[in-house]
Amino acid sequence: GQNIDQPTEMTATEGAIVQINCTYQTSGFNGLFWYQQHAGEAPTFLSYNVLDGLEEKGRFSSFLSRSKGYSYLLLKELQMKDSASYLCAVRESNYQLIWGAGTKLIIKP
Amino acid sequence: GAVVSQHPSWVICKSGTSVKIECRSLDFQATTMFWYRQFPKQSLMLMATSNEGSKATYEQGVEKDKFLINHASLTLSTLTVTSAHPEDSSFYICSAAIDGQETQYFGPGTRLLVL
Repeated sequence: GQNIDQPTEMTATEGAIVQINCTYQTSGFNGLFWYQQHAGEAPTFLSYNVLDGLEEKGRFSSFLSRSKGYSYLLLKELQMKDSASYLCAVRESNYQLIWGAGTKLIIKP
Repeated sequence: GAVVSQHPSWVICKSGTSVKIECRSLDFQATTMFWYRQFPKQSLMLMATSNEGSKATYEQGVEKDKFLINHASLTLSTLTVTSAHPEDSSFYICSAAIDGQETQYFGPGTRLLVL
């Protein structure tokens, strides 16, 4: 069946680094997305991985291992505004997106 | 670039009435648009995939006669919630994909409250 797992909630300190993991089991694979969603707002695109390895974009990096069905989102130099939910989504062979439930990240001063 | 708008952002209606939500891609053409629903503290749930000029593809459990989707042009898709009931109260979000590209760009969402 289809399944995407990510932790429900994480807490980190301002200025620190946090890694949000995502594991998936889906019908085929055509890419993995990370989105950020602030409370009450629509998600915004963060990253896209389709090949194994690390994609770096400023303070945010995303890693993918297709053989392990695993990805992580790495956030460096955390800021208070990074407090949000982070959604992992996998695109299957039929190009539909399967969404994880999201990880609520709480940043403390 | 790649801006998606939704209108209205907020709507309150009486039970039994119909509500139309518009989703527009402002600076690109979108062959495919997606409609999602999100209940509080829950993940996004795909309702349907809308293709310009053809019928929408609905996800299992989504009533096509209740949630009418029209993708009349490459920049506009509409979702009509017919005979809305309080359980339809939710956050409705659309997204659009640029032809040939991977990423979905999301609209700001429409919050629907049915009294």
